[in-house]
Amino acid sequence: SQQGEEDPQALSIQEGENATMNCSYKTSINNLQWYRQNSGRGLVHLILIRSNEREKHSGRLRVTLDTSKKSSSLLITASRAADTASYFCATYTPLVFGKGTRLSVIA
Amino acid sequence: DVKVTQSSRYLVKRTGEKVFLECVQDMDHENMFWYRQDPGLGLRLIYFSYDVKMKEKGDIPEGYSVSREKKERFSLILESASTNQTSMYLCASSFDVETQYFGPGTRLLVL
Repeated sequence: SQQGEEDPQALSIQEGENATMNCSYKTSINNLQWYRQNSGRGLVHLILIRSNEREKHSGRLRVTLDTSKKSSSLLITASRAADTASYFCATYTPLVFGKGTRLSVIA
Repeated sequence: DVKVTQSSRYLVKRTGEKVFLECVQDMDHENMFWYRQDPGLGLRLIYFSYDVKMKEKGDIPEGYSVSREKKERFSLILESASTNQTSMYLCASSFDVETQYFGPGTRLLVL
């Protein structure tokens, strides 16, 4: 399977702390995307990073990509209770999703 | 804003019934996708379509079929529903091969 793997499976932090999630994949990619899913809902696209990029920012989100290690990380700074959700990385065409990281932000 | 709608949020069917899950997008996207999501297994691609009347098998097509008669509509069909098809079904569409836009999901229970 070409499925990406997120790590950790679950993460619980206090409001205001930073949350870091990692994603590893298996073969070469053109880009890697991160999505968010609130409980029982559809997924929402957060950010896309291309294979020739090393870092990308969007608001409180920071994504890094290391193609030599076939890994990416998603950092959410100054987390809020509303950030509580599952986060997925996705690669390849058509998109293949990992199993996700469940983030709980405690107020 | 892109809008992807799914015909039902919750659905309860009996084993052996034929089930239709409908997905409609309003942004003239070429590509449409059906996934199922199960605890511990993540999202798995069932079928996708790059154009009207075209379809491609994903990772787990067994027990499913699809129909794409119009660009905006992509239907997932369970020919004879079974209990192991109880799941959350997610539809998505995209203009290119990158960003996908998802519907709210249909939670199907097969009794």
